[in-house]
Amino acid sequence: GAVVSQHPSRVICKSGTSVKIECRSLDFQATTMFWYRQFPKQSLMLMATSNEGSKATYEQGVEKDKFLINHASLTLSTLTVTSAHPEDSSFYICSAKGQGYHEQFFGPGTRLTVL
Amino acid sequence: GQNIDQPTEMTATEGAIVQINCTYQTSGFNGLFWYQQHAGEAPTFLSYNVLDGLEEKGRFSSFLSRSKGYSYLLLKELQMKDSASYLCAVRARGGANNLFFGTGTRLTVIP
Repeated sequence: GAVVSQHPSRVICKSGTSVKIECRSLDFQATTMFWYRQFPKQSLMLMATSNEGSKATYEQGVEKDKFLINHASLTLSTLTVTSAHPEDSSFYICSAKGQGYHEQFFGPGTRLTVL
Repeated sequence: GQNIDQPTEMTATEGAIVQINCTYQTSGFNGLFWYQQHAGEAPTFLSYNVLDGLEEKGRFSSFLSRSKGYSYLLLKELQMKDSASYLCAVRARGGANNLFFGTGTRLTVIP
């Protein structure tokens, strides 16, 4: 149980385009979902936290207009990187937490490369 | 703010025991987690401590001292597949359940 999927696993796009990443909890209801970014050989940096049906809470330094987060249901959250630039190239990982769980369950990650 | 420190890299021999330390300073405390992350993959949950003491789970054990802001992850009978990064993460008190991660310790197991 407690499986989280992400799609796509890998995406390459041109500078200036937008990219949408989906995060789904497959067998539990995720009351809270989290989006992280990880640069090579660095740890996970929390970008934002989202609760179903409400606006996301962004960490300091993360542009909410650039990284749009939608948590439309208890099993789906999306992250849209708008007007992507090469410096946005990174590994984006979502996680989900459900009622009764202490831990967050992580998706397999999405590797974004912006040319 | 949150400050979580771990050694950057460690090397250990197959079959041996290794201890990975983590110290933290956070505004509030509501649990400490250890995750394992293989290169290019998402982290997988290893352990959770919220009270002082040792939690044992097979070859892996995790210890917490809240008064010292200190935890360690103990790996016994090391296997080659244990080569990975080990991430210490602290959940600060509050309703958000946010985890704050250390930089991770990259463990290399050698024959």
